[in-house]
Amino acid sequence: GAVVSQHPSWVICKSGTSVKIECRSLDFQATTMFWYRQFPKQSLMLMATSNEGSKATYEQGVEKDKFLINHASLTLSTLTVTSAHPEDSSFYICSATGLAEETQYFGPGTRLLVL
Amino acid sequence: LAKTTQPISMDSYEGQEVNITCSHNNIATNDYITWYQQFPSQGPRFIIQGYKTKVTNEVASLFIPADRKSSTLSLPRVSLSDTAVYYCLVGGVGSSASKIIFGSGTRLSIRP
Repeated sequence: GAVVSQHPSWVICKSGTSVKIECRSLDFQATTMFWYRQFPKQSLMLMATSNEGSKATYEQGVEKDKFLINHASLTLSTLTVTSAHPEDSSFYICSATGLAEETQYFGPGTRLLVL
Repeated sequence: LAKTTQPISMDSYEGQEVNITCSHNNIATNDYITWYQQFPSQGPRFIIQGYKTKVTNEVASLFIPADRKSSTLSLPRVSLSDTAVYYCLVGGVGSSASKIIFGSGTRLSIRP
């Protein structure tokens, strides 16, 4: 199957700082990427959907000014958590799909811990 | 958006066949059914996908009845390493990619 990577795999930051997470499709062009958040023992919660070259569509309750998403190329999307706070600590996962792909492929996830 | 319903948890033993059924009563015409496996602190891993009837790959089979309102993931001869959470999802793919909403998933525990 197609491969999606995320970087970093884990990050610890101080409260008030910003953190950028990268999501890359390694062997296909991702026309659409999705960002999810997962808290311990819970299911994945969709945060936003991004299409290459256009603004992301955020789910209800997700602050677009706090979670900045950029999908500038067909292989890269970034999620920036601005002014992070301890309650933003979570497991962030991206997925990607392309025109030629028949499914969404998920990245390995990024563990964020805000102190 | 199609909503899915699956058992919260299941237990089985090594070597057994495990069948996990998912209900998706309001599945749309262009929706595919996809199953993912997730281990702790990892992203979901694609298992199998289908639109109708039966699909089989090297790790699982997927059975979809004619009305497509449910589907069953079949894992043959499970091992301890199959202990994970399994998610059933429905949604458009490729050029019809649509957001998919994760349900609670099924926590499968395999015992020796």
